[in-house]
Amino acid sequence: DAGVTQSPTHLIKTRGQQVTLRCSPKSGHDTVSWYQQALGQGPQFIFQYYEEEERQRGNFPDRFSGHQFPNYSSELNVNALLLGDSALYLCASSDLGHSGGETQYFGPGTRLLVL
Amino acid sequence: DAKTTQPPSMDCAEGRAANLPCNHSTISGNEYVYWYRQIHSQGPQYIIHGLKNNETNEMASLIITEDRKSSTLILPHATLRDTAVYYCIVTHTNAGKSTFGDGTTLTVKP
Repeated sequence: DAGVTQSPTHLIKTRGQQVTLRCSPKSGHDTVSWYQQALGQGPQFIFQYYEEEERQRGNFPDRFSGHQFPNYSSELNVNALLLGDSALYLCASSDLGHSGGETQYFGPGTRLLVL
Repeated sequence: DAKTTQPPSMDCAEGRAANLPCNHSTISGNEYVYWYRQIHSQGPQYIIHGLKNNETNEMASLIITEDRKSSTLILPHATLRDTAVYYCIVTHTNAGKSTFGDGTTLTVKP
């Protein structure tokens, strides 16, 4: 049973560029959430996708956007990158449609460095 | 989601039980208590969760007080590989998201 997978594992970008991160949920899961984790801090919720719609959003600017595909995989896009966007980006999947979705399973993350 | 309070750090001797406390005094009736841990630079790993009753699985036990205002995660025989940051989270049914605090850094020492 494949767990949550994310790509790429590491990424280096320069300020002002745009980046796309990808996530495949755990088999049987229909919901994907994205988190940003700065060094030394806990993960911060960015947004969640369910049935290809953004269901919830945390306190992040519109530069952060996402998409969910019919196969439940998801992308996180960040435009106009800032130095402060350097972080570990985590994807978590859950089964909102059947079990309430409280239990989230996390991927290994994508470490983004903005220079 | 209710706010949780955890000690910033704890030590535990290898082979002994690690007891990690969490306060969640504003928890409401339909909120679950969840525990995750994060080993350095990896994604958080789900450990266990509960609503009212104590729970046990192959990784840990969760003890929730009768008033549900606090809980304790117990790792019965800690190993060096249990060294990690442990997060206690309270979340609503159908919330689908988790609000993480700073967690407790558990260091298991030989």
